[in-house]
Amino acid sequence: EAQVTQNPRYLITVTGKKLTVTCSQNMNHEYMSWYRQDPGLGLRQIYYSMNVEVTDKGDVPEGYKVSRKEKRNFPLILESPSPNQTSLYFCASSQLPRGEQYFGPGTRLTVT
Amino acid sequence: DAKTTQPNSMESNEEEPVHLPCNHSTISGTDYIHWYRQLPSQGPEYVIHGLTSNVNNRMASLAIAEDRKSSTLILHRATLRDAAVYYCILRDGTNFGNEKLTFGTGTRLTIIP
Repeated sequence: EAQVTQNPRYLITVTGKKLTVTCSQNMNHEYMSWYRQDPGLGLRQIYYSMNVEVTDKGDVPEGYKVSRKEKRNFPLILESPSPNQTSLYFCASSQLPRGEQYFGPGTRLTVT
Repeated sequence: DAKTTQPNSMESNEEEPVHLPCNHSTISGTDYIHWYRQLPSQGPEYVIHGLTSNVNNRMASLAIAEDRKSSTLILHRATLRDAAVYYCILRDGTNFGNEKLTFGTGTRLTIIP
């Protein structure tokens, strides 16, 4: 089954404790992306990747890092999480160009 | 990407057709019209897309006005499972770079049993 998986689905952590949210897709898609969703602000793009070792900033990259060492994986790294990064995070992938985007189930992160 | 306007919310009875409107008066000739939906507690899900002609797939139909300044997503027979927020998104077909989707506030569709 074609899918995007994210782990963990729920995470509560404390300020400053490094964490990684994993994203994996099984469709051999070149393009992958991270969004965060906040009430009243909708979905905003954090980072994206056009292929292995090719990443770039989206609209709200501050406080986040990504890497793309393999085509299927695109982890989101928060090196020093802060409470304003409390949000619902979605990973997405698609074929290039302009393929339909597949979204993961989301990771709800709470930073206290 | 050009802006879209959708009603904040709509209600429909179960097993009846639903017409979800979207206005995009500043659409350019190379903009594709995409629809995604987000069911409660899930990630967004692709529904359908089109450029000029009406489109049908297993989930829905997309009716595009002749001047392309508006479009309508049609769910032919709504079920409770169709209750979601529906997003109408324009994507430039010639801009091959970041594939970012610009989500607006969408239309929250409520299905009445």
